[in-house]
Amino acid sequence: GAVVSQHPSWVICKSGTSVKIECRSLDFQATTMFWYRQFPKQSLMLMATSNEGSKATYEQGVEKDKFLINHASLTLSTLTVTSAHPEDSSFYICSAAGWGYEQYFGPGTRLTVT
Amino acid sequence: EDQVTQSPEALRLQEGESSSLNCSYTVSGLRGLFWYRQDPGKGPEFLFTLYSAGEEKEKERLKATLTKKESFLHITAPKPEDSATYLCAVQAGEETSGSRLTFGEGTQLTVNP
Repeated sequence: GAVVSQHPSWVICKSGTSVKIECRSLDFQATTMFWYRQFPKQSLMLMATSNEGSKATYEQGVEKDKFLINHASLTLSTLTVTSAHPEDSSFYICSAAGWGYEQYFGPGTRLTVT
Repeated sequence: EDQVTQSPEALRLQEGESSSLNCSYTVSGLRGLFWYRQDPGKGPEFLFTLYSAGEEKEKERLKATLTKKESFLHITAPKPEDSATYLCAVQAGEETSGSRLTFGEGTQLTVNP
């Protein structure tokens, strides 16, 4: 149980275009979903927290207009990187929390902006 | 501000050589301490949740313990497949489920055959 999927697993896009990443909880209802960013050899950096049906809460320094988060249902959250630039290239990971304390992570999405 | 510090940053063991990873924390109102395993290019895999000092949990060759200031992840007779980065995270504050985690920087474990 507690499986979280992400799609796509990797994506290459051109500078200036937008990319959407999906995060799904497959076997439980996620009251809260989280989006993280991870650079090589570093730990996870929380970008934003989203609750189903409400606006996401962004961490300090994260541009909400650049990283659009939609949590439309209890099993789906999306992260859209708008007008992507090479510095946005990173490993993006989502996690989902149900009614307990644990967060379960997706497999991650590798974004490369050329 | 919640702080989590993991040590060592990297650890090399021979297969069968038991050891421990440390996670020390400073938080206001600990609600839970979590251990995850992360393989290169993958998302973290949940291992354990510890809620109160004195609690212990085991899974195969791994055992996690918790005190009021730190947690240890003991690895008994490790195998090469235990090689990974082990992440410690804490959840604190007044919120209950669905609260944010504060992560440590991780310990990169390599087990040589």
